[in-house]
Amino acid sequence: GNSVTQMEGPVTLSEEAFLTINCTYTATGYPSLFWYVQYPGEGLQLLLKATKADDKGSNKGFEATYRKETTSFHLEKGSVQVSDSAVYFCAIPHAGGTSYGKLTFGQGTILTVHP
Amino acid sequence: DAGVTQSPTHLIKTRGQQVTLRCSPISGHKSVSWYQQVLGQGPQFIFQYYEKEERGRGNFPDRFSARQFPNYSSELNVNALLLGDSALYLCASSKQGSPFYEQYFGPGTRLTVT
Repeated sequence: GNSVTQMEGPVTLSEEAFLTINCTYTATGYPSLFWYVQYPGEGLQLLLKATKADDKGSNKGFEATYRKETTSFHLEKGSVQVSDSAVYFCAIPHAGGTSYGKLTFGQGTILTVHP
Repeated sequence: DAGVTQSPTHLIKTRGQQVTLRCSPISGHKSVSWYQQVLGQGPQFIFQYYEKEERGRGNFPDRFSARQFPNYSSELNVNALLLGDSALYLCASSKQGSPFYEQYFGPGTRLTVT
């Protein structure tokens, strides 16, 4: 089935530093890809998505490009803020069998940004 | 528009008891999914319902069951609670049953089993 592998954390950065969180996937076909963010004590929020190869998702200064040739969907931000401190999850959906509708998440990357 | 709502926010139960968690999807969304998130891990898929029918099921024991009502709200039931059921239970809704539509998550119900 579809799966994602996310870089291990935690990641600690200073404010205004450049952020990259790696995510690679294995999939049947070309499913949509998602990044979710979870702030402390909260549920998950959809951060961005890409629906096809070479598509770039963007939101709140974060970007990720759906790269078919490297099966990757890395999350990037040019200048992080303290308020970006959270856990970030890469996710891929399933479309077949008993797992229909399932999102499989990576293990999550904890990001801490210091002033 | 209101987001996905879940109740209760927190719950403490004893081993062997039963629990019911509730979820109201975003208005206009017909699909509801349930996930279990153990501390320090990513969410694990439990069920998806669309138009009141179960469309997908994760690798959870039969102690877990769910249903969706005509107004598209949903309940998750867990019987014979175990300590290992302690987790954050997340509900997510989407417009359609297709997994290619984004899912929007509620704040979760924190279940503690003692």
